[in-house]
Amino acid sequence: EIVLTQSPATLSLSPGERATLSCRASQSINYYLAWYQQKSGQAPRLLIYDASNRASGIPARFSGSRSGTDFTLTISSLEPEDFAVYYCQQRSRWPVSFGGGTKVEIK
Amino acid sequence: QEQLVESGGGVVQPGRSLRLSCAASGFTFSGYAMHWVRQAPGKGLEWVSTMWYDGRDKYYAESVKGRFTISRDNSKNMLYLQMDTLRSEDTAVYYCAKSRQETLDAFDIWGQGTMVIVS
Repeated sequence: EIVLTQSPATLSLSPGERATLSCRASQSINYYLAWYQQKSGQAPRLLIYDASNRASGIPARFSGSRSGTDFTLTISSLEPEDFAVYYCQQRSRWPVSFGGGTKVEIK
Repeated sequence: QEQLVESGGGVVQPGRSLRLSCAASGFTFSGYAMHWVRQAPGKGLEWVSTMWYDGRDKYYAESVKGRFTISRDNSKNMLYLQMDTLRSEDTAVYYCAKSRQETLDAFDIWGQGTMVIVS
């Protein structure tokens, strides 16, 4: 089973600041990684697929990148609505797995 | 627009069964793989099961294999999850989600979820 390790667990930032979230895979998953945003009491929303492709309707301040088995989600300038929990997910091998999540909170 | 609506959740005793449903609209349901994902209270996301667009292939998490059965009715635009021999650890919000393509891909549309409490 592929384990995805997200860090940090919590990120405390102010609106307008840059957020950098990490997701490390326990083995190679090529580019088969997605990022999701989940606000309290809501369903997850797809942000990024295949490591670096923005999903439909996702603002340009969200970007994804990959370096080997390390993946990064960057929010260039935090808006008030961006404070939420973010999950990464791999679809390279069964079983599909999610990371433990990073909570981005208001500092 | 594309929409998924789950139903069928509730409170059930350990060892009993429950069947979840997911109604799809706004897209060609028969052209996409579908998934179930769950989230225990205060916890992260856990993938549960996937079915290919044509129903030929199914995949399950080890934690539910042999107890849960995924199915779909493309003529009715419906996805189902039959959950048998329920355990307390199955307590969670269950989401259905649509794949970006006919087989495994990112999950681009999610329902609002239905709560299952095993107690």
